[in-house]
Amino acid sequence: NAGVTQTPKFQVLKTGQSMTLQCAQDMNHNSMYWYRQDPGMGLRLIYYSASEGTTDKGEVPNGYNVSRLNKREFSLRLESAAPSQTSVYFCASSEGGTATGGYTFGSGTRLTVV
Amino acid sequence: RKEVEQDPGPFNVPEGATVAFNCTYSNSASQSFFWYRQDCRKEPKLLMSVYSSGNEDGRFTAQLNRASQYISLLIRDSKLSDSATYLCVVYLYNQGGKLIFGQGTELSVKP
Repeated sequence: NAGVTQTPKFQVLKTGQSMTLQCAQDMNHNSMYWYRQDPGMGLRLIYYSASEGTTDKGEVPNGYNVSRLNKREFSLRLESAAPSQTSVYFCASSEGGTATGGYTFGSGTRLTVV
Repeated sequence: RKEVEQDPGPFNVPEGATVAFNCTYSNSASQSFFWYRQDCRKEPKLLMSVYSSGNEDGRFTAQLNRASQYISLLIRDSKLSDSATYLCVVYLYNQGGKLIFGQGTELSVKP
C-alpha cells in the first residue's frame, strides 16, 4: 500500500547507544516531518524538511539529528540515547506548502531507552 | 501556555449520545484547522478540516470561531467505533507550514 513506512516498529536501547529511525514515503510528497508523542503531551515536532535538501528544527530538536537523504527518505538519528527519549516516534509527509492538513503518518516506532 | 489546548477527558458516553469537544489555540496567525482521529497505539488520521462557516461530514460537525480562537467538534449518534482520541490541530504557515497538535481528547463510547 502507498504511504509512509517507518522502521523499526519497536526498539529498546541502552542509555548512550545510538540509532537511526528510518522513514520513507512513496507519494512524491515534498515535505516530511518527525514527531514524538508522549502521554498527555500530544505530538511534538522534532524536525521537519520542507523540501529535498532542507531541514529545520521543530519544537523539541535537542538530542536528535536528521537527514533528508532524497525526496523519499527522511531519517532521524539519536546520537546518545537518554531515558527522556523514550517515546513513540511518528514520521509524516505532505505535499508541502499546503493548508489542507493532509498529512500522512507512518505507523510509528516505539522506542524505549533503559 | 500550550499553543493548542484540549480537555483530555476521558469522555465516557453511551451509544447514541451526542458529545462535543472543545479546543482553544493561542497563535492568532494560525491559518487552518483540523480534527484528527487517533486509535489506540496507531497513527493519527485526518478526520476533517474546520472552516469558519462550519462544516459537516455525516454525524460530525466542526466549528471555528476565529475571534475567540476556539474550535469545536460535535459527534451525533455516537457509535462504538467512534471510540478514539480526537486531536485538535492548527496549521501555522508563518512557521514553515507546520501542524501543531493538541494533546487530544479521549472518547469512549459504551454499549
